This record gives sequence, C-alpha cells and structure tokens, in this order.
Amino acid sequence: QQQVKQSPQSLIVQKGGISIINCAYENTAFDYFPWYQQFPGKGPALLIAIRPDVSEKKEGRFTISFNKSAKQFSLHIMDSQPGDSATYFCAARIETSGSRLTFGEGTQLTVNP
Amino acid sequence: EPEVTQTPSHQVTQMGQEVILRCVPISNHLYFYWYRQILGQKVEFLVSFYNNEISEKSEIFDDQFSVERPDGSNFTLKIRSTKLEDSAMYFCASTRDLYSYEQYFGPGTRLTVT
Repeated sequence: QQQVKQSPQSLIVQKGGISIINCAYENTAFDYFPWYQQFPGKGPALLIAIRPDVSEKKEGRFTISFNKSAKQFSLHIMDSQPGDSATYFCAARIETSGSRLTFGEGTQLTVNP
Repeated sequence: EPEVTQTPSHQVTQMGQEVILRCVPISNHLYFYWYRQILGQKVEFLVSFYNNEISEKSEIFDDQFSVERPDGSNFTLKIRSTKLEDSAMYFCASTRDLYSYEQYFGPGTRLTVT
C-alpha cells in the first residue's frame, strides 16, 4: 500500500513534443507528490510538486495533473528539449514524524533532436 | 544557492569492512534523510533523523546501519560490515522542518563493495 507505480519505464520523444509520465498510488494518506529529475551520476533534483487539494500545477514547461479520485498523477513536459533527457521519478509522502518519500520506479526520458 | 554536499563521491571497500558516508545538509535544515539507489533501480528510503534521533527507518536499515550527527554540520551513515548487496548510490537529503515539503538531495556517494 506504500507503493507508487510509475509508467512508462522509458520514453522517447522528438524535440518539441509532449512527454507524459504517469504515476498511481493506493495509500490515501499520501499528502504531497513531488517529481524529481535525475541526470546520470547526480542526485535527484526537485522539479515540481503538488498537494492533493489542487488538480493541476504548472511551472514553465512542466505541469502536474492530479486526479484524486483515481489516485493518479502525471507529469507533462511541453515543448520537450534534448536537455530534458534524464530519469524522472514521481514520489509521494505521508506527513508523519519521518516524512519519508516513496519513489516510483523511474522513467528514462530521451528527447531526440 | 545552499546545497547538500556528500563525501566521498566514490568509495570502494572490501566485503566485511566498515564504511562511513558523510553528508553536510543545508545549514538551516532540521530533518535529515538517507536514501539508496541500487544501479538502475528506484530510490529507496533508509532512515530519517531529527533532533539527534532516528524518526523513522525502513526494513532495509538493519543493525548493520547507523546514523549520527557528530557535530553541528555533519550527518553520517555507517555500515558496520559491508556486504556485496550494499553496493549502491547513497543519497543524503534534508528538509527545513517537518512541515516543509521539499527534500533536497545531495549528489550521492557511490559505494562499491568488492
């Protein structure tokens, strides 16, 4: 019940296209849903995050769509660029004393020029 | 911009040896975490630490692991007797307080156990 399921495992998009990565969860106690971007050999970097009281959040070319009833959320990257090529992880957090993040399996995004 | 730093960037050790991985969290942050990532797999939570004690730990964080904040700036993860399966990237993260959502990750230490 603590799991976060992420798909697809890998994604290839042409420059200028839209990249869409999906995540699903079971535990309704999750209260915070961040997306992290990771380049090879680097740590995950916080990209954008949403709380379940809103259905969408947009920051530049990155948008999170959140469907509370379906327990799903997704990351949309508009006008994808080769520099966006990285691994993207969704995550979820329960506001407990530890506030651990539970990560999805990751999506390796390749944006072709 | 403040950032989490980790040393060393790469540690090679023999099975059975003790290793200490070091982290310097962002200076005004109060919550600290260790995560690990086995090559090609997802990031997994190990332990969270607040006010000089463990807040939460995962099933991975067994008696071989320990954490410490030996001074006002460092946060360490010790693996007492390393196993081959401990080979992974270990990430330190910090957050300002319990009610801050953003966790900031360091660049990681690649641990290779031979």
